[in-house]
Amino acid sequence: QQQVKQSPQSLIVQKGGIPIINCAYENTAFDYFPWYQQFPGKGPALLIAIRPDVSEKKEGRFTISFNKSAKQFSLHIMDSQPGDSATYFCAAVSGAGSYQLTFGKGTKLSVIP
Amino acid sequence: SAVISQKPSRDICQRGTSLTIQCQVDSQVTMMFWYRQQPGQSLTLIATANQGSEATYESGFVIDKFPISRPNLTFSTLTVSNMSPEDSSIYLCSVGIGGTEAFFGQGTRLTVV
Repeated sequence: QQQVKQSPQSLIVQKGGIPIINCAYENTAFDYFPWYQQFPGKGPALLIAIRPDVSEKKEGRFTISFNKSAKQFSLHIMDSQPGDSATYFCAAVSGAGSYQLTFGKGTKLSVIP
Repeated sequence: SAVISQKPSRDICQRGTSLTIQCQVDSQVTMMFWYRQQPGQSLTLIATANQGSEATYESGFVIDKFPISRPNLTFSTLTVSNMSPEDSSIYLCSVGIGGTEAFFGQGTRLTVV
């Protein structure tokens, strides 16, 4: 059973566009939702994270929107750049100090110059 | 954050053999984890490496296949035993810091021929 569903699987946008990646979860015990960015040949890097008591969090060009009632959250990348081309994973964690991540399947983003 | 070093970064192994992957962290951490990322796929938690006690394995992973050691708070090893081509994956070490954030090493890319 896939506990975190991520879409789309791949995404191509023009430079300056705003790619949006969506995730939905089923387990209401999840209480921490990080996003990871992974470049080929590298490990995932923590990008931004949110808790369910906040509806939006922004860090630089990256914004998470969170809808607790719908059990959905999304990542927006403002003014996307070719350097943002990577695979993005949403994840969810249950319980403070758990650190055990349940990942979505990933979205491969390509930003075209 | 933490600096996480994995060795080897990649290896090609014969089926039936075993490979031990090392994970070294630049600071003491309580929580260490091992994940598997199959080609083009998401990350799946293999086990939690517990210092001073046996690792805690997730469903579908067993100690005989993936023995784990955690001799201290900065080091862990994962062994992939009796390898088959289906074990070809990226294996990633992860540590938990600050109550919520999980960080990853660069990964070990394993190819079994």
